[in-house]
Amino acid sequence: GAVVSQHPSRVICKSGTSVKIECRSLDFQATTMFWYRQFPKQSLMLMATSNEGSKATYEQGVEKDKFLINHASLTLSTLTVTSAHPEDSSFYICSARDGRKQYFGPGTRLTVT
Amino acid sequence: GDSVTQMEGPVTLSEEAFLTINCTYTATGYPSLFWYVQYPGEGLQLLLKATKADDKGSNKGFEATYRKETTSFHLEKGSVQVSDSAVYFCALSASGNTGKLIFGQGTTLQVKP
Repeated sequence: GAVVSQHPSRVICKSGTSVKIECRSLDFQATTMFWYRQFPKQSLMLMATSNEGSKATYEQGVEKDKFLINHASLTLSTLTVTSAHPEDSSFYICSARDGRKQYFGPGTRLTVT
Repeated sequence: GDSVTQMEGPVTLSEEAFLTINCTYTATGYPSLFWYVQYPGEGLQLLLKATKADDKGSNKGFEATYRKETTSFHLEKGSVQVSDSAVYFCALSASGNTGKLIFGQGTTLQVKP
């Protein structure tokens, strides 16, 4: 089946710095990718929809200036957490849409110290 | 708004036991319903889905029936194996063909030999 990768799988950064997470569709082109955030023992919360060549659409309550999304090509979307704070520590998961199917990446564990 | 509620885990079963994980939903319109599974260290994988009322999704011995009258999509398996140990997520598609998914909080299943 289709494969979606994320890099890095884990990252630790200091408060106030920015960190970039990559999401790649390895064997298909994805015009749409999604970014989710998962808190411990909680559901995946959709943060934004990333469309190739256009601005991302953010869900209500998600700060677009803090979570910068760039979908520069049909196989790559990036999420940059700017000026990270400890409360941004979480598990970030992307998914990529191939037709009517959606494939998920393995997730990135972000820890802000 | 749309939402999904799953039974809380963890669920611990012995091998060959019967499994039920409850899932109920609230939605406007007629969403598609999904069960995703997340094995340790891996991304979410689609386990099964149903797109309209009374549809039954099935895969790998798992089944779930779309019950509009009770707004439920309970996951069942007649005889679980140790390899079924994972986190199971119930989800629905938001209205419109956006690809957005709304997830339940996930249920951890542990199967002991």
